[in-house]
Amino acid sequence: DVKVTQSSRYLVKRTGEKVFLECVQDMDHENMFWYRQDPGLGLRLIYFSYDVKMKEKGDIPEGYSVSREKKERFSLILESASTNQTSMYLCASSLREGVGYTFGSGTRLTVV
Amino acid sequence: GENVEQHPSTLSVQEGDSAVIKCTYSDSASNYFPWYKQELGKRPQLIIDIRSNVGEKKDQRIAVTLNKTAKHFSLHITETQPEDSAVYFCAATRLGWTGNQFYFGTGTSLTVIP
Repeated sequence: DVKVTQSSRYLVKRTGEKVFLECVQDMDHENMFWYRQDPGLGLRLIYFSYDVKMKEKGDIPEGYSVSREKKERFSLILESASTNQTSMYLCASSLREGVGYTFGSGTRLTVV
Repeated sequence: GENVEQHPSTLSVQEGDSAVIKCTYSDSASNYFPWYKQELGKRPQLIIDIRSNVGEKKDQRIAVTLNKTAKHFSLHITETQPEDSAVYFCAATRLGWTGNQFYFGTGTSLTVIP
């Protein structure tokens, strides 16, 4: 029944490593989103994509990049992980008009 | 862009009492207002939503009200139960626009005390 899948539930990486977080949806959704969730700060949008190879910066894109080579997959890349990127990362997807917004289960990333 | 504010950030109620969470938004073009519940360690899940052409919507113990003039909407939970304990997020967006994004409030941590 899981429709938005994030590849890892927990991840521990070292400072300076390149980190890939993968998100796959099987609902044929056009829009995909990456958020980070921190206590007291809610959900903050990092990047979103409304079509293959398209990407838009969200509120906090610094230190991150994304890749959308296929409609069903949206990858978040931490070019050089830092300790302040320790967080819960949530992926979401929706139809083009915004209907059907669904979250993945999240990846808790710890950078040491 | 849109700005969504949510209050309170934490809320404790006795089991059986009602809980109310309020959100305000800034963009009068927003026309869809969902509420998500996130239990500990789980993904946020949609529990109820309302569109701008409706003033109130109810689903069993949960209701949402919308005041377009004042640009605020509220979640009401009646006869609260311990399983209602979770973090609740409100959001606002413009459905029907390519590339639209959801704007989330900062969340309310609800604790229902047995």
